[in-house]
Amino acid sequence: DGGITQSPKYLFRKEGQNVTLSCEQNLNHDAMYWYRQDPGQGLRLIYYSQIVNDFQKGDIAEGYSVSREKKESFPLTVTSAQKNPTAFYLCASSIARVAGSYNEQFFGPGTRLTVL
Amino acid sequence: EDQVTQSPEALRLQEGESSSLNCSYTVSGLRGLFWYRQDPGKGPEFLFTLYSAGEEKEKERLKATLTKKESFLHITAPKPEDSATYLCAVSSYNNNDMRFGAGTRLTVKP
Repeated sequence: DGGITQSPKYLFRKEGQNVTLSCEQNLNHDAMYWYRQDPGQGLRLIYYSQIVNDFQKGDIAEGYSVSREKKESFPLTVTSAQKNPTAFYLCASSIARVAGSYNEQFFGPGTRLTVL
Repeated sequence: EDQVTQSPEALRLQEGESSSLNCSYTVSGLRGLFWYRQDPGKGPEFLFTLYSAGEEKEKERLKATLTKKESFLHITAPKPEDSATYLCAVSSYNNNDMRFGAGTRLTVKP
């Protein structure tokens, strides 16, 4: 079955630690995204990537880092510089970000990160 | 800046009681409006994309409509399994990113 997987489902971080969230897709999508979801708020874009070895900052990139070494994978690292990292993190992918059209994004199941 | 406002924040219905959810948007050149369903603790599930005013799409008990300023998600004769948070998002020609509303949390009681 084609889809997007995220791991782990739950993650606990101590103060000062970096943690990495995994996102893998087998949909052959070019574009991948990371969002953060907080209670009562809409999804906010952290980073996106349109192609391998290229990525761009979203609205709230501070304290986060990403890599895109393979088309299928787009891991997100939450660094110790992120002061309020407790949230639900969602990874998404779409066929492409093509001028003149916009393809819907498909989401993974999410990772809930809690800072202890 | 693109903005999306969803109302109401929460809606409680009895099974079979039809209603509508609203998504008001402000964008400079709408590229697309998207509806998603999200169950607690899960990722959003894609429902519909609407591209131009007057467009309508249906799926089972759900029907999405679009005007130049807002979109409605009509739910006809809802069932308890329709309980979820419904998210609206827009993309514009000025901004490739999707802007999400905060969602409407729907509860359908048997």
